[in-house]
Amino acid sequence: EAGVTQSPTHLIKTRGQQATLRCSPISGHTSVYWYQQALGLGLQFLLWYDEGEERNRGNFPPRFSGRQFPNYSSELNVNALELEDSALYLCASSFLSGTVSEQYFGPGTRLTVT
Amino acid sequence: AQSVSQHNHHVILSEAASLELGCNYSYGGTVNLFWYVQYPGQHLQLLLKYFSGDPLVKGIKGFEAEFIKSKFSFNLRKPSVQWSDTAEYFCAVWANQAGTALIFGKGTTLSVSS
Repeated sequence: EAGVTQSPTHLIKTRGQQATLRCSPISGHTSVYWYQQALGLGLQFLLWYDEGEERNRGNFPPRFSGRQFPNYSSELNVNALELEDSALYLCASSFLSGTVSEQYFGPGTRLTVT
Repeated sequence: AQSVSQHNHHVILSEAASLELGCNYSYGGTVNLFWYVQYPGQHLQLLLKYFSGDPLVKGIKGFEAEFIKSKFSFNLRKPSVQWSDTAEYFCAVWANQAGTALIFGKGTTLSVSS
């Protein structure tokens, strides 16, 4: 069974540009979660999509947004990039919609903003 | 807001030493608890989880954790560590209320010397 996949592996952008990160969940999983793992800050919850709807978002500005497609894959968009957006962005998926279950993580996209 | 505290930022042990990593959370209601591990260069993966029942849970690779509700704690233990346990360990909490996602601690780096 294929795990959670993310693309691209690495992304280098300039301050002020936009970045788009993609995630494909495990087959059968309907929930997708996005986390930011910045140095020294651990994993911080960004967004949760479930059945195509945004269910919750963490304490991040509106320039962090995303969507979930009908096939449950997801996209994270970061507009007006700032230097402090440089981090590893992790996507996770889970099976049960609306209830707690294990989250399975992808390898992440390393975003570098120069 | 819910939060998760991991008391140890970096733990250094020799092989065969016993391990205990602390995790405390701040939420008075029903919680589900997880420990994740991130080996160097690998994805985050689930070590163990507590949903209900026996507060002593066993996970993969000889790890176990004890949920002590009165202390809001979920400490991770292993009687005898191996060099291959060198990794970063994250405690995470899901608070059972609508719209909540996993809240992670900042992680503990474990270095095991052979």
